[in-house]
Amino acid sequence: EAGVTQFPSHSVIEKGQTVTLRCDPISGHDNLYWYRRVMGKEIKFLLHFVKESKQDESGMPNNRFLAERTGGTYSTLKVQPAELEDSGVYFCASGRGSGSGNTIYFGEGSWLTVV
Amino acid sequence: QKEVEQDPGPLSVPEGAIVSLNCTYSNSAFQYFMWYRQYSRKGPELLMYTYSSGNKEDGRFTAQVDKSSKYISLFIRDSQPSDSATYLCAMSEVYGGATNKLIFGTGTLLAVQP
Repeated sequence: EAGVTQFPSHSVIEKGQTVTLRCDPISGHDNLYWYRRVMGKEIKFLLHFVKESKQDESGMPNNRFLAERTGGTYSTLKVQPAELEDSGVYFCASGRGSGSGNTIYFGEGSWLTVV
Repeated sequence: QKEVEQDPGPLSVPEGAIVSLNCTYSNSAFQYFMWYRQYSRKGPELLMYTYSSGNKEDGRFTAQVDKSSKYISLFIRDSQPSDSATYLCAMSEVYGGATNKLIFGTGTLLAVQP
């Protein structure tokens, strides 16, 4: 069974540019999550999809971030325009069931550097 | 104040040592407690999870939760060089709810010396 796949693995962009990160969850997982770790900080929750619906987007930092999951399969996270403080690693995770205690599986992350 | 506090280390131990990793938290509503292992440039991998208080053992790993003290621990027995990684504690409030929003500690970097 393929794991959670993220693309690109690394990206370097200039301030003001746009970047789109993609996540392919494990097949059959309705729940998809985005998390982010910025330098020196802990991993923080961004949002949660159940199929194509946003269940919880309380962690999205501001309106420069847009997440979509059309068709309930893969998801994209777009940052537009990117700022220096957006640099960090963006993790996608997926799981079958919702709720705590259900195992979620993380991808290897998309490492974003904004210069 | 952060909801979850974790000593970032680094923690260096000789092979075969018992390792103790800890987190404290402030939110009494946390019910699920998890430990993740993260190798360099990889994603977090779930090691163990515990509901409410008590102990849970899996091979060389033991997780303990003391809700009265808001303190959780992970013990690694007979540590191996392959255990060298960052260990992250994570917690969440809800069981069976609509979200699995995890609150993470900053992680402790562990190095097991051969």
